[in-house]
Amino acid sequence: AQKITQTQPGMFVQEKEAVTLDCTYDTSDPSYGLFWYKQPSSGEMIFLIYQGSYDQQNATEGRYSLNFQKARKSANLVISASQLGDSAMYFCAMRESTNFGNEKLTFGTGTRLTIIP
Amino acid sequence: GAVVSQHPSRVICKSGTSVKIECRSLDFQATTMFWYRQFPKKSLMLMATSNEGSKATYEQGVEKDKFLINHASLTLSTLTVTSAHPEDSSFYICSARGGQWGTQYFGPGTRLTVL
Repeated sequence: AQKITQTQPGMFVQEKEAVTLDCTYDTSDPSYGLFWYKQPSSGEMIFLIYQGSYDQQNATEGRYSLNFQKARKSANLVISASQLGDSAMYFCAMRESTNFGNEKLTFGTGTRLTIIP
Repeated sequence: GAVVSQHPSRVICKSGTSVKIECRSLDFQATTMFWYRQFPKKSLMLMATSNEGSKATYEQGVEKDKFLINHASLTLSTLTVTSAHPEDSSFYICSARGGQWGTQYFGPGTRLTVL
């Protein structure tokens, strides 16, 4: 069963507008972490923002904020005042514990965001 | 801070040869590093978790003898693709865990092409 779902394969947004990228997750673990990464065409994965399952407030980091709705199991990324440089692939990921005592990230399928000038 | 390097960035090799990819955490120590594989326009697929000083933990379906992982120090993990074949051609990306939330910081990736 897919644990991280990103339902928007692609989005086109006008420059300077705000954009919301959807992410829903599924876990029975009470302790988990949610991450958003950006992957430009160059390939590197850039960490954007983190939300812990016990965090009471939504995470914010500059123009990025995370709309965390725990009961709905959603962790949407909001980018305010979008810029051309925001065009990239965006991945939502969840950190879980494994049977071996490790932790691992499970990634969604990603959303390709294109900012239109 | 939290910079991870990966070398080489691109490699082309003949079928049957072995290729080693290095992953280094440059400004922090990482007891745990991860190796992923990414196919074009797809998500990242975890191959293995590498813990310093111990054997790597491989994900189901990943051949241990084909993808050799060594994590000899707190700043270096290596992935060796042994007897590479064209189907091993892919984008390989490593990450190192660090920071206050156990965040994974990623290297720039290695594009492997096996002829």
